Amino acid sequence: QQPVQSPQAVILREGEDAVINCSSSKALYSVHWYRQKHGEAPVFLMILLKGGEQKGHEKISASFNEKKQQSSLYLTASQLSYSGTYFCGTDDMRFGAGTRLTVKP
Amino acid sequence: GAGVSQSPSNKVTEKGKDVELRCDPISGHTALYWYRQSLGQGLEFLIYFQGNSAPDKSGLPSDRFSAERTGGSVSTLTIQRTQQEDSAVYLCASRADRYQPQHFGDGTRLSIL
Repeated sequence: QQPVQSPQAVILREGEDAVINCSSSKALYSVHWYRQKHGEAPVFLMILLKGGEQKGHEKISASFNEKKQQSSLYLTASQLSYSGTYFCGTDDMRFGAGTRLTVKP
Repeated sequence: GAGVSQSPSNKVTEKGKDVELRCDPISGHTALYWYRQSLGQGLEFLIYFQGNSAPDKSGLPSDRFSAERTGGSVSTLTIQRTQQEDSAVYLCASRADRYQPQHFGDGTRLSIL
C-alpha cells in the first residue's frame, strides 16, 4: 500500500521554507525521499532509517517518526533549483503520489 | 561507474502489438524494480526482483504484463497486446540492499498509437 503525501502542490518564492509530509498505514523501517524534475528520472535525496540513522544530502533535512509512521522533508531557504516533484517511498519502495513544488523568483 | 541503463529510450507501436523493454541494473545490485509513470502522475510500482527469490508481481496491472530477470542481472518487461492506456514512461531502478538508495534509469517512453 502506497504512502500518502501532503500537500499535493506548493508554490514558494525564493528564500521561503516548505515542509512536505509523508505517512504510512503500516509500520516502517525506512523512508526514502526522491526529487524528480520534469522529463528526468527521480534522484535520491535521503533515506531515514528506524533508530535515527540518515543518509543523504547535507542541505536537505528530514524527520522520521517511527511510532506515527510519518516522515517530513524540510526545505529551507528554497532556491529555484528545488522545483520539482518530491516523492516519498517506503521499505518496499512503493511511492506516494508526489508533491509538486514550484519555486518562483 | 555506469548507472542503470534502459532501452529503448523511446518506443512507438501500434495497438495490439507486443513490446519488450530492457533494463540493465548497476553491477552488483541485487534488487531491481519496475515502475510505470503516466503523464503528470506518480510512480506506479509494477514488479520487484530480489536476488534469486520469487519476484513480487503484485503491481502488474493485468496478465498482459510480465517480467523476467535473467542471471540476476538484466531484466525485461514485456507487454502483450498493447492498449492505448499502456502509454507511459516505464522506469527501472536498482539498489544494493534495503539500506541503500535506489538508482533510476532514464526510462522508456512508450507510445501506443
